[in-house]
Amino acid sequence: DTEVTQTPKHLVMGMTNKKSLKCEQHMGHRAMYWYKQKAKKPPELMFVYSYEKLSINESVPSRFSPECPNSSLLNLHLHALQPEDSALYLCASSQGAASRRTGANVLTFGAGSRLTVL
Amino acid sequence: AQKITQTQPGMFVQEKEAVTLDCTYDTSDQSYGLFWYKQPSSGEMIFLIYQGSYDEQNATEGRYSLNFQKARKSANLVISASQLGDSAMYFCAMREGLNTGNQFYFGTGTSLTVIP
Repeated sequence: DTEVTQTPKHLVMGMTNKKSLKCEQHMGHRAMYWYKQKAKKPPELMFVYSYEKLSINESVPSRFSPECPNSSLLNLHLHALQPEDSALYLCASSQGAASRRTGANVLTFGAGSRLTVL
Repeated sequence: AQKITQTQPGMFVQEKEAVTLDCTYDTSDQSYGLFWYKQPSSGEMIFLIYQGSYDEQNATEGRYSLNFQKARKSANLVISASQLGDSAMYFCAMREGLNTGNQFYFGTGTSLTVIP
């Protein structure tokens, strides 16, 4: 079982719907990420939260709205999406800033939420 | 310039044989980390192996080893004794610096098919 839990696994929505993707981790990680991935392509970074504050927003359209209610939870609110937003959305977490003492700071991914926008 | 380059879009290997997946990287930082991830068709990204820039020995994890050549800026993944379950996309990734905003850079991936 993955240590990063994403719900729902599959989501189909219309362009006028409002929905949310949820992500939870209990590893004590202080950095959490949203990635978008199209088929046969690498993950593209959308947002990074570090210590519950938004630290990176990769110029993502405002129809995607992230939220980090606490250090274990990360949400992605979706509104007025386009069909081209259909993709696999991956949540990930890491310890936080890496150091020679803490070492790898591995990115641990969830199983993803596969989104289809009609 | 690309931070991570994977030049093999697709690779085939016979079951039980070894295979090398190539990865080169570009950074001017002295401290960085290199990672390999496996992504089966189910979609989950599975961490395989890590190499730190200061590590003098090549990393190994079971059947996975990382051939780290710092001067050439390459971090190739070697999978020994391939199994059918190894068929997947493989991504090389890099994290620069020690406190640089938690940015990970991914390569374009290599699709590995293991032939029975």
